[in-house]
Amino acid sequence: AAGVIQSPRHLIKEKRETATLKCYPIPRHDTVYWYQQGPGQDPQFLISFYEKMQSDKGSIPDRFSAQQFSDYHSELNMSSLELGDSALYFCASSFHRTSGSTDTQYFGPGTRLTVL
Amino acid sequence: DQQVKQNSPSLSVQEGRISILNCDYTNSMFDYFLWYKKYPAEGPTFLISISSIKDKNEDGRFTVFLNKSAKHLSLHIVPSQPGDSAVYFCAASVKGTYKYIFGTGTRLKVLA
Repeated sequence: AAGVIQSPRHLIKEKRETATLKCYPIPRHDTVYWYQQGPGQDPQFLISFYEKMQSDKGSIPDRFSAQQFSDYHSELNMSSLELGDSALYFCASSFHRTSGSTDTQYFGPGTRLTVL
Repeated sequence: DQQVKQNSPSLSVQEGRISILNCDYTNSMFDYFLWYKKYPAEGPTFLISISSIKDKNEDGRFTVFLNKSAKHLSLHIVPSQPGDSAVYFCAASVKGTYKYIFGTGTRLKVLA
């Protein structure tokens, strides 16, 4: 079965540079989520989009922005990178059920960002 | 403020025996709970979930138990297999929100 695709898998940037991470959800999934996992930490929710609109926001720095496009893929844009931004960035997708019950999120393999 | 806690960072179990992973939470608004398994260099893989209206959900070798009064859930793996060796995260969500709150993870090692 098709899974969530993230690109690139690895990215190395210098401080103050910008980075763009891409996420392609499972076909027919309409909701995407971004999480950041620092070394030895649990994944922290950043932001989510449902039908191209921001649906929830977590601890995402102002230097970061994201969007979901008409084909449902999403991009996380990170500017003025700092050493502390080095982490694994996971994207997840789900199909939003209108019944009000919580959707199960399926995760991609992650992008490992290293800021030097 | 860690709303979802996994107090055991690691657990070792003999192959064929039961593995019990525990998770505690503090937010009484959580109404949906999940367990994910994570191998190195991979994303979390969904294992099993449970709604707050239930106290047990079973899927093959995996059973999740929810004790709402104690704000505690556990994942039982029976029988444990070496391929189950991974980091296990519990996660929780509030109905109507789009985010999961993850625990800190428990590294399970199943010994052959």
